Amino acid sequence: GENVEQHPSTLSVQEGDSAVIKCTYSDSASNYFPWYKQELGKRPQLIIDIRSNVGEKKDQRIAVTLNKTAKHFSLHITETQPEDSAVYFCAASFSGNTPLVFGKGTRLSVIA
Amino acid sequence: DAGVIQSPRHEVTEMGQEVTLRCKPISGHDYLFWYRQTMMRGLELLIYFNNNVPIDDSGMPEDRFSAKMPNASFSTLKIQPSEPRDSAVYFCASNLVQGANEKLFFGSGTQLSVL
Repeated sequence: GENVEQHPSTLSVQEGDSAVIKCTYSDSASNYFPWYKQELGKRPQLIIDIRSNVGEKKDQRIAVTLNKTAKHFSLHITETQPEDSAVYFCAASFSGNTPLVFGKGTRLSVIA
Repeated sequence: DAGVIQSPRHEVTEMGQEVTLRCKPISGHDYLFWYRQTMMRGLELLIYFNNNVPIDDSGMPEDRFSAKMPNASFSTLKIQPSEPRDSAVYFCASNLVQGANEKLFFGSGTQLSVL
């Protein structure tokens, strides 16, 4: 089955700096890669996703890149703000009909 | 819609007791998932249903765990007997797979503490 590795497990950045979180996956058939943000004590919520037919997707300060050959994808947050502090999870699946396999999460702290 | 609704929000019980967690998915969603979250293992899939039918329960850790979905608007996850290592946050999630729409909606979770 699919296995998703996520790094780093914790990340601290100064406000205004960029943050990058990386994930690798094992199943070359996976074609859907979402990212979820979980604030302290809250539920995970989707922030951005990408499919295998696209190499990069951007939404304001957030971008995701995908390298299918290397089987890795990354989340980029630019101009970080204190409200970006949260745990971020990457995930992968073959399609919407198969469940997401999550990475173990990255705890991002943005220091003001 | 109120989103995915889970109850209780917090559950504290003693080892050996039966625990039942409840979930109401978003109306119209045809997939329901139970995940367990711990610091060590992250978000683990326990079981998922499609149109009320269990599809894959290979993530259920032991026979002490069972899940049901008697109708499209209700699911339960039961642990009997509970053990301290079951302490975790249990999330229910649902989605409706239509075309390119695969967004997973999570409930608020149940924080379970087994003493």
